[in-house]
Amino acid sequence: ETGVTQTPRHLVMGMTNKKSLKCEQHLGHNAMYWYKQSAKKPLELMFVYNFKEQTENNSVPSRFSPECPNSSHLFLHLHTLQPEDSALYLCASSQDPQSSYNEQFFGPGTRLTVL
Amino acid sequence: DQQVKQNSPSLSVQEGRISILNCDYTNSMFDYFLWYKKYPAEGPTFLISISSIKDKNEDGRFTVFLNKSAKHLSLHIVPSQPGDSAVYFCAASGPGAGSYQLTFGKGTKLSVIP
Repeated sequence: ETGVTQTPRHLVMGMTNKKSLKCEQHLGHNAMYWYKQSAKKPLELMFVYNFKEQTENNSVPSRFSPECPNSSHLFLHLHTLQPEDSALYLCASSQDPQSSYNEQFFGPGTRLTVL
Repeated sequence: DQQVKQNSPSLSVQEGRISILNCDYTNSMFDYFLWYKKYPAEGPTFLISISSIKDKNEDGRFTVFLNKSAKHLSLHIVPSQPGDSAVYFCAASGPGAGSYQLTFGKGTKLSVIP
């Protein structure tokens, strides 16, 4: 595996379900990110982890719970979501989030539908 | 309030001609700018970037221009090829609460017509 991988690629869940999204990066990067992309909206940053420590939480509702056990793996635990949470969830990684010159590399995303 | 704006949701260009995608920003703290390309069912792919200390960066068919005084950047693709058809996102890097963050525009869908 190379780059950034995400599983599952598609997920349909009910509002009372609990599910998790998984991301793995094979680039040796130190930082990982979760983004949400809704229709006709820009990518919205949700969480940033730097060396496994959360450094950003952009006012994300608590029904989204991130977990970063190490610098290569990132999870997004989902619980009691709403239909408006249906979106493409993208994971990214980068070498150094303390530097402005910090290209991020994205996974293919998980298309989430909440019924 | 959108800090990075791509005012053209779509653009159609004939194969072989130049494609020009535009992006405007409002935050003067942004000091590094990136363009990403996205195909359907794939994540965004980094394409080219430019530091705020430069006004031009070129990589093959792709050139990015930055006009700091106007807070405007543009991506030129020449010659355009059908494989360039994708959504292009402009992004700007600036300081967040604990790390540098990328702020994205909504994207411009480029269609290159054979």
